[in-house]
Amino acid sequence: DTEVTQTPKHLVMGMTNKKSLKCEQHMGHRAMYWYKQKAKKPPELMFVYSYEKLSINESVPSRFSPECPNSSLLNLHLHALQPEDSALYLCASSPPTGGRGVKYDEQFFGPGTRLTVL
Amino acid sequence: GENVEQHPSTLSVQEGDSAVIKCTYSDSASNYFPWYKQELGKRPQLIIDIRSNVGEKKDQRIAVTLNKTAKHFSLHITETQPEDSAVYFCAAGDDKIIFGKGTRLHILP
Repeated sequence: DTEVTQTPKHLVMGMTNKKSLKCEQHMGHRAMYWYKQKAKKPPELMFVYSYEKLSINESVPSRFSPECPNSSLLNLHLHALQPEDSALYLCASSPPTGGRGVKYDEQFFGPGTRLTVL
Repeated sequence: GENVEQHPSTLSVQEGDSAVIKCTYSDSASNYFPWYKQELGKRPQLIIDIRSNVGEKKDQRIAVTLNKTAKHFSLHITETQPEDSAVYFCAAGDDKIIFGKGTRLHILP
């Protein structure tokens, strides 16, 4: 299996809802990422997990809560989102090189979840 | 932190001609420079990457050059084809990568 999968493909939620995005890879990668991409903009890094531990949090609001239950799974829990949070949420994974969580190699992206917050 | 500038934002070339996209970066610690292609509604896909210990890398019609002294790197696509039409992102980094703003490439028939 050489792909990163994400569910759901589309999600519509109200500002009071709680939902979760899921990401899975079975390539043995030990680094996983969440990105947010608005239309016609580049992906913006949100979180990086290395060996199931959060290593980078790019000052993301607490209404986004990541979780890495094991080396193959990455979740993003959503609560009390705002309409401006509507975007494509991309998950990616990569095999770390040069030691534990120090450097990263090619990132493989999932297809993304298109999130709309009403 | 790292800052990546990418130019041009839009590029139109005749089919069969070459396309060049340029990026500059600010953090001299960056040592990994990937290029991603993103078609409309699809995920970014890596097309080529280069590390700081290499000045040039080629893969069929695609090549990337890196000048670490000047902190700039470029993507070259030769013999462009209609399927090359997409948005191209450069990126730079080390423990994390930062993307440029993207170049929308149009291949004209």
